[in-house]
Amino acid sequence: GDSVTQMEGPVTLSEEAFLTINCTYTATGYPSLFWYVQYPGEGLQLLLKATKADDKGSNKGFEATYRKETTSFHLEKGSVQVSDSAVYFCALSDSNSGNTPLVFGKGTRLSVIA
Amino acid sequence: AAGVIQSPRHLIKEKRETATLKCYPIPRHDTVYWYQQGPGQDPQFLISFYEKMQSDKGSIPDRFSAQQFSDYHSELNMSSLELGDSALYFCASSLGPRSGANVLTFGAGSRLTVL
Repeated sequence: GDSVTQMEGPVTLSEEAFLTINCTYTATGYPSLFWYVQYPGEGLQLLLKATKADDKGSNKGFEATYRKETTSFHLEKGSVQVSDSAVYFCALSDSNSGNTPLVFGKGTRLSVIA
Repeated sequence: AAGVIQSPRHLIKEKRETATLKCYPIPRHDTVYWYQQGPGQDPQFLISFYEKMQSDKGSIPDRFSAQQFSDYHSELNMSSLELGDSALYFCASSLGPRSGANVLTFGAGSRLTVL
């Protein structure tokens, strides 16, 4: 079945450092890809998405490009802030099957220190 | 903007008791999903409903049941609670197959503690 593999955390960075969180996927069709963020004690919030190959999703300085050839959707940010400290989940939805549920990766905890 | 509303936010139960969680989707969203997230874990899909009918079924235990009502809100009923049921339970809603890419909007979650 469909699955998502993302790099294990925790990841600890200094403020203004460059961030990469790797995510690769396995899917039988042509999925839509997502990054969700979970701040402490809160629910999951959509950070960005991409629905087809070579699409780039971006939001709040974060970017991820849908790479079909490497089945990847790595999350990047050029300069992280303390407020970016959270758990980041990569997810996919099999867009060929209508309203299918999201499949999540294990999550990567990011801690940014001043 | 209106979000997904879940209640209660916190719930404490004893083993073998029952619990009911409620979810009110974003207006005009016709699809509801339930997820369970254990401590330090990724969200695990339990069950979903589209237009009041069960749409997909994930790892929902037989002790749990859920339904979606005519006003599109959903309830997750959990019986014979076990210690391992202690988790965050998230509800999410979406526009369903009409929306193209299936973007789920999550509620803040209901934290269930079983003692």
